[in-house]
Amino acid sequence: AQKVTQAQTEISVVEKEDVTLDCVYETRDTTYYLFWYKQPPSGELVFLIRRNSFDEQNEISGRYSWNFQKSTSSFNFTITASQVVDSAVYFCALSEAASGGSYIPTFGRGTSLIVHP
Amino acid sequence: DAGVTQSPTHLIKTRGQQVTLRCSPKSGHDTVSWYQQALGQGPQFIFQYYEEEERQRGNFPDRFSGHQFPNYSSELNVNALLLGDSALYLCASSSSGSDTQYFGPGTRLTVL
Repeated sequence: AQKVTQAQTEISVVEKEDVTLDCVYETRDTTYYLFWYKQPPSGELVFLIRRNSFDEQNEISGRYSWNFQKSTSSFNFTITASQVVDSAVYFCALSEAASGGSYIPTFGRGTSLIVHP
Repeated sequence: DAGVTQSPTHLIKTRGQQVTLRCSPKSGHDTVSWYQQALGQGPQFIFQYYEEEERQRGNFPDRFSGHQFPNYSSELNVNALLLGDSALYLCASSSSGSDTQYFGPGTRLTVL
């Protein structure tokens, strides 16, 4: 069974600080996909990034970066120079291939990020 | 390019009533999934529809049912509402065989 753990319930930072959101996952599959979604107060889950289990190359996209380490089953997300608009709940998710070829993500409980001006 | 849309935005019902929520997928997507998100929790998978049939189902009772139409839009029906059904209901769409889902803004259901 797949499982995602986000141990940080809430993180509070001051604008321009760097912040890292932790995600640890469990899966028995060798092929799986990892995601980060952002949920602002409006409620919509916004897709941020996807990584497959064969691609451990870390990525930087603007102020966002991701650190995927299979050895520790972690997929951490860092925001550099945080801004007030980054305030949201961030969800890490894991998908394995289900029967029939569908993918159903399992989500963590989310980390609430509050960025103070 | 229109994203995933859901209606209504908010809904208030009383215990025992029935409710229908609607979802239109992102253009080009043929698969629709529904999730329930309780306050302070991550989304929980209800079911997924593809080719007008339920393809996968999560751990939800039969009071939760759905439908997909030929234009790929979908409905979620919940019968005999309970107070515990109060939540944000999210619809997500994807292309068949794709591992990435895109979410709509959700419908906030309150059961009194």
